[in-house]
Amino acid sequence: QKEVEQDPGPLSVPEGAIVSLNCTYSNSAFQYFMWYRQYSRKGPELLMYTYSSGNKEDGRFTAQVDKSSKYISLFIRDSQPSDSATYLCAMSVQSGGYQKVTFGTGTKLQVIP
Amino acid sequence: SQTIHQWPATLVQPVGSPLSLECTVEGTSNPNLYWYRQAAGRGLQLLFYSVGIGQISSEVPQNLSASRPQDRQFILSSKKLLLSDSGFYLCAWRDETGGSQYSPLHFGNGTRLTVT
Repeated sequence: QKEVEQDPGPLSVPEGAIVSLNCTYSNSAFQYFMWYRQYSRKGPELLMYTYSSGNKEDGRFTAQVDKSSKYISLFIRDSQPSDSATYLCAMSVQSGGYQKVTFGTGTKLQVIP
Repeated sequence: SQTIHQWPATLVQPVGSPLSLECTVEGTSNPNLYWYRQAAGRGLQLLFYSVGIGQISSEVPQNLSASRPQDRQFILSSKKLLLSDSGFYLCAWRDETGGSQYSPLHFGNGTRLTVT
């Protein structure tokens, strides 16, 4: 079983829709939870990160963490064609003196105008 | 503000040739530096990380090596490339100034390497 599971998609939605992206994980020691956006042929760009269970909002983006269920989500409101990208979840834990980060394989999102 | 530069953006090399990819970070001191490889459908694989000049840790046995000759410079090398070394290589950094504030990873724009 992978430490982090993420549906690869692709997920196709109409412009203006609410998008829900999800990851599950098995390692209860994970402390920090991140979401990255990656456009084609570019490096991942940090969108949000959070530590505790609950919601964190930043503009049209909301990150949700449920540690009891080992489940994290990213919601995108009023989705735009410019949101079309691959979204990577990531989780980190202190290990051997450094922060070990484990990534999901990414969900490809397409927002149709 | 901090920026990270990676070059070249694309590279095509024959099997058996050497490799040198360079990454530099600006606007911060003593960052932790990382090399990842990204393969389609397999996520990001950590190859090397460095907590300081000359300090390199290898996560996965590879045909690759890394060096950190200066505080903000990280180099990925190979003496003889294999076909299996093809992929998208990403350099990343994070602050490690201590304290309780978490510092996430920040990535460069990557090098797409094709070994022919």
